[in-house]
Amino acid sequence: QKEVEQDPGPLSVPEGAIVSLNCTYSNSAFQYFMWYRQYSRKGPELLMYTYSSGNKEDGRFTAQVDKSSKYISLFIRDSQPSDSATYLCAMSPPRGWGKLQFGAGTQVVVTP
Amino acid sequence: DTAVSQTPKYLVTQMGNDKSIKCEQNLGHDTMYWYKQDSKKFLKIMFSYNNKELIINETVPNRFSPKSPDKAHLNLHINSLELGDSAVYFCASSLAGLDTDTQYFGPGTRLTVL
Repeated sequence: QKEVEQDPGPLSVPEGAIVSLNCTYSNSAFQYFMWYRQYSRKGPELLMYTYSSGNKEDGRFTAQVDKSSKYISLFIRDSQPSDSATYLCAMSPPRGWGKLQFGAGTQVVVTP
Repeated sequence: DTAVSQTPKYLVTQMGNDKSIKCEQNLGHDTMYWYKQDSKKFLKIMFSYNNKELIINETVPNRFSPKSPDKAHLNLHINSLELGDSAVYFCASSLAGLDTDTQYFGPGTRLTVL
């Protein structure tokens, strides 16, 4: 079993809908939680970063971390076709020197 | 003004060959990484260097050897290529390798071993 589990999708939604993505993990030492967006044939880029439990909002994006359930989520409001990409969750323990554990990524398709 | 660049972008080669991938960052970062992304999009860290010193060395065949001539460059040399080495290899960099530092990824090198 992988340390970080993420449904690969694809997840298809109509434009304007809310996209809901999530990951579960098994390592309770993880303290830093990230969401990366990867467009086709490009490198991943950081979208959201959260430390420990709680919510964080940035424009149309909201990241949630529930450490008690070992569950993290990303919500995209008012989704646009330009949001079509693969979304990867990533996490690391303290003093990990940036050793990120990634989920497999969820492919999201927003249809006009 | 590319932040993290990799060469080549595509690499097609025969089994048993030796090949190198080069990475350069112009962000002034101290830490650089190599990741492998397999056909199922799973991204896995291989190595990281901080100021030319090896910090992360995951369980990777010793046919893979990273080399950092200076802190702006991190190259990956692969000996005796195998079919299973086919993947996209990403280089990344971060300011100091701290847990809170953002990692910036290059565009990837798509390696196909025939």
